[in-house]
Amino acid sequence: DIQMTQSPSSLSASVGGRATITCRASQSIGGRLNWYQQKPGKAPNLLIYGASSLQDGVPSRFSGSGFNTDFTLTISTLQPEDSATYYCQQSHSTPLTFGGGTKVEIK
Amino acid sequence: QVQLQESGPGLVKPSQTLSLTCTVSGGSISRSIYYWSWIRQPAGKGLEWIGRISTSGSTNYNPSLKSRVTISLDTSRNQFSLMVDSVTAADTAVYYCARVLEATVMGWGQGTLVTVSS
Repeated sequence: DIQMTQSPSSLSASVGGRATITCRASQSIGGRLNWYQQKPGKAPNLLIYGASSLQDGVPSRFSGSGFNTDFTLTISTLQPEDSATYYCQQSHSTPLTFGGGTKVEIK
Repeated sequence: QVQLQESGPGLVKPSQTLSLTCTVSGGSISRSIYYWSWIRQPAGKGLEWIGRISTSGSTNYNPSLKSRVTISLDTSRNQFSLMVDSVTAADTAVYYCARVLEATVMGWGQGTLVTVSS
């Protein structure tokens, strides 16, 4: 199985600030990396697919980058509604695997 | 807009079989570009992919659960189902059904909590 390691596990940032979340794969996955946002009590929601492509309807303050084993999700100009847990997921091979999650708190 | 809705018992006794159904509305489950998956999330923890079924009926399961899991498709009812045998407390989780395109989860059900307890 491909292990996905996210860091940090949590972060706190101010409205208007910037948040950066990293995800590392245990082996090369090319650009086969997705990011999801999950709010409490809700199902996750796709933000970024293919490492850097923005899903329809997702605000442009969300961006993704990276290739092979190291990936980044950046949220620029944080908004109160960005308070959530974020997960990466490799789409390279089954079993599909997720990172452990990063909880983002907006101060 | 394709929507998914899980249904099934919220409480299952240890050693019994967990059975859930996902009803798909707003689109045909037979559309061949999609896989139909189950994903679970224990309270306060991360996401675990359980497995998937294609529209042709071929399945892939997470090796961690493979011996206990069956996913099936009922195209006549536009539903797919999950069975997990011999459950323990470790199987207590919110279970999500999902629509998957090329290993990317494009849509999720709202999730259903299944508790394993006597």
